[in-house]
Amino acid sequence: SQKIEQNSEALNIQEGKTATLTCNYTNYSPAYLQWYRQDPGRGPVFLLLIRENEKEKRKERLKVTFDTTLKQSLFHITASQPADSATYLCALFFSNFGNEKLTFGTGTRLTIIP
Amino acid sequence: DTGVSQNPRHKITKRGQNVTFRCDPISEHNRLYWYRQTLGQGPEFLTYFQNEAQLEKSRLLSDRFSAERPKGSFSTLEIQRTEQGDSAMYLCASSQYPLNTEAFFGQGTRLTVV
Repeated sequence: SQKIEQNSEALNIQEGKTATLTCNYTNYSPAYLQWYRQDPGRGPVFLLLIRENEKEKRKERLKVTFDTTLKQSLFHITASQPADSATYLCALFFSNFGNEKLTFGTGTRLTIIP
Repeated sequence: DTGVSQNPRHKITKRGQNVTFRCDPISEHNRLYWYRQTLGQGPEFLTYFQNEAQLEKSRLLSDRFSAERPKGSFSTLEIQRTEQGDSAMYLCASSQYPLNTEAFFGQGTRLTVV
């Protein structure tokens, strides 16, 4: 069965530095790979989507890369701020018949230290 | 439209009781997901609907769990004969597939079985 692993449970980064989070998956590559942010006690919030034929996507201070050979996505937050502290979830969407659902990784809890 | 709405926000129940949760998705969204999340874990897929059709149910789900989306609008998730292991956050999300695959989540229903 498909497995999604995020590099670590928790990551502490100094304010102003770049935070890099990793998402690795097994088996098939998804049609879309997505990143979400989740704050305590709240539902996840969509941040960015990257398609299987794209290598990089940017949105303001966020950057996502997608390497289907390595079966890996990297999520970068540049010029990190304490307000970026949250859990970040990677999610895969497959468009194969019978497997068209959004599946989430375990998440990485990011803390930006002032 | 104010987004995905879930009710109740919190539910405390005694072991062995039945509980039902409701999810109202974003009105034009045809796809609806249910997930379960425990502390420190990512959302775990339970089931999803395309309009009123339930397309997949997780094999991890016992027969005590059932979900409906009778008119392709709101959905209910029922858990019969609750057990302490059912204590979790139950999240609902919706999307407009295939136009968009990103999911919009509600605030969740936190279930505590005592």
